[in-house]
Amino acid sequence: NAGVTQTPKFQVLKTGQSMTLQCAQDMNHNSMYWYRQDPGMGLRLIYYSASEGTTDKGEVPNGYNVSRLNKREFSLRLESAAPSQTSVYFCASSDPGQGNYGYTFGSGTRLTVV
Amino acid sequence: AQSVTQPDIHITVSEGASLELRCNYSYGATPYLFWYVQSPGQGLQLLLKYFSGDTLVQGIKGFEAEFKRSQSSFNLRKPSVHWSDAAEYFCAVGARNAGNMLTFGGGTRLMVKP
Repeated sequence: NAGVTQTPKFQVLKTGQSMTLQCAQDMNHNSMYWYRQDPGMGLRLIYYSASEGTTDKGEVPNGYNVSRLNKREFSLRLESAAPSQTSVYFCASSDPGQGNYGYTFGSGTRLTVV
Repeated sequence: AQSVTQPDIHITVSEGASLELRCNYSYGATPYLFWYVQSPGQGLQLLLKYFSGDTLVQGIKGFEAEFKRSQSSFNLRKPSVHWSDAAEYFCAVGARNAGNMLTFGGGTRLMVKP
């Protein structure tokens, strides 16, 4: 099925460890996004990529880096994980240039930092 | 900067009763507006969206929402709730630019009593 695929689904890290969350979409969308979801706070934008080759900071970028590897893939890296980064991470894509402003979301990565 | 407020963190309704979830937004121009639903452990699914035109929009699963510019609101409604509607609901406002970033409200958790 077409959509957004995130890996891994679950991860436990120790403080200070690094990891990369992977995201791929097969809808030929230009724009991709990383959000984190915390109880009572909705989803907050970490980074986004309006098109291949560009990335920009969102509301909560500190402690994260991203790479838009190609049009399909957009990865999120935690260089030195902290307990405050315990959250559920969602990747999404859209194609506003084609009038597709709604997001398609992945199923999420539940990350725990101990 | 755009923002979204969902005043009700939790709502409980009886099965078969009507439902209204409130959403108020702040945005300097005519916004794009969305409602998403999230079942436990799942990603977010688009229920409906407003871009322009008719202020009453229909969505999936029997939901509708009405855009009221004078009240900066985009409330979600359903005439008769089913037990399967129990989930968390998110309102979002989108910026009309190439980045198409969405800002989400904090969410409303709906519980349905039998």
